[in-house]
Amino acid sequence: RKEVEQDPGPFNVPEGATVAFNCTYSNSASQSFFWYRQDCRKEPKLLMSVYSSGNEDGRFTAQLNRASQYISLLIRDSKLSDSATYLCVVNRRAGTALIFGKGTTLSVSS
Amino acid sequence: DVKVTQSSRYLVKRTGEKVFLECVQDMDHENMFWYRQDPGLGLRLIYFSYDVKMKEKGDIPEGYSVSREKKERFSLILESASTNQTSMYLCASRGVEGTREKLFFGSGTQLSVL
Repeated sequence: RKEVEQDPGPFNVPEGATVAFNCTYSNSASQSFFWYRQDCRKEPKLLMSVYSSGNEDGRFTAQLNRASQYISLLIRDSKLSDSATYLCVVNRRAGTALIFGKGTTLSVSS
Repeated sequence: DVKVTQSSRYLVKRTGEKVFLECVQDMDHENMFWYRQDPGLGLRLIYFSYDVKMKEKGDIPEGYSVSREKKERFSLILESASTNQTSMYLCASRGVEGTREKLFFGSGTQLSVL
């Protein structure tokens, strides 16, 4: 099982759609979880951290299921500007490096 | 604003050359990282450093070494560049912005080895 696994997509959705991305991780000792966003030819940028109780930031909702070692990102009311690659990121154990999934590509069209 | 600066945006080198990629951060972060990003493979960790002179291998350290003599600078060294090291190299430092822990990335160095 890969350390951090994501469906690569692409996800092609119309504006206003709701879209969900999933991510699984293999190391049960992982303690920190994040979603990053990467635009074409740019560096990744933090979208949101993922907390055990789930958390929301505007149109974005992140959830963590430790038992299943599963993280999700829900985007509501998709905008054209949401088109990007979404990277699931997990640490191996406390204080160590962050490991990236290969990313899921989202394309929002009008 | 935290700044992570990579010395070159584009670099072209020949096979067998020794290549230095420099990264400097201005926020006194302890943790710094080097990743490479290739189409279809995502970001892969080469090396990271959790303090001055402290380093740890990532997932793909072969053909690379690193140097962290000062806290703000983390250098990636390709001892003898090969064509399979053609890639986008991303440096990052780890810190907190507001209440959020995050990686601060440089803009990347696109290295071509001919």
